[in-house]
Amino acid sequence: GQNIDQPTEMTATEGAIVQINCTYQTSGFNGLFWYQQHAGEAPTFLSYNVLDGLEEKGRFSSFLSRSKGYSYLLLKELQMKDSASYLCAVRAGGYQKVTFGTGTKLQVIP
Amino acid sequence: DTGVSQNPRHKITKRGQNVTFRCDPISEHNRLYWYRQTLGQGPEFLTYFQNEAQLEKSRLLSDRFSAERPKGSFSTLEIQRTEQGDSAMYLCASSLEDGRAYEQYFGPGTRLTVT
Repeated sequence: GQNIDQPTEMTATEGAIVQINCTYQTSGFNGLFWYQQHAGEAPTFLSYNVLDGLEEKGRFSSFLSRSKGYSYLLLKELQMKDSASYLCAVRAGGYQKVTFGTGTKLQVIP
Repeated sequence: DTGVSQNPRHKITKRGQNVTFRCDPISEHNRLYWYRQTLGQGPEFLTYFQNEAQLEKSRLLSDRFSAERPKGSFSTLEIQRTEQGDSAMYLCASSLEDGRAYEQYFGPGTRLTVT
């Protein structure tokens, strides 16, 4: 099976930087996703990491260390609209199934 | 609009009744996933298809749940003899597994309330 851990809640200030961590234990790892989900809406794709290292996309960056089973999502210049849940998801196994973590609810305060 | 669509968007049913949900994926996508999500939790995997083949079904799913994707296009999820614990948002997602991109695109979900 797969085990994905991320903090339940985080609070950060508008304009600041926040890092959301995700650790996972799985066999047959193929890649890791980050999704954003606003309350009452469907998840939307943010990033996908396959190789070790940092991938930057505007204000959002995602890092992966396969040997450590660790990833983080970095959000810069936080805006109020970034208040949402951030879901870490792992693609693994023979059929490369995607499994989601429980999500980190981020609250951005003024 | 060429995104993933789901019908109905909301369903209220009495305990013991059967319900069926439909998902229409993005047309060229060969993979289709069903998830269940409750408040404050991430999407919980239910089952998924590669074309018309059902590759895996969650052990959490009882025999009351069944899913089909008869022609490798749209999919249906049926819940028989619904229970109050089945109340949740049911999400469908599709992806194109072509060796280059694996992003899942989610539909708006069907919110089920069992009374």
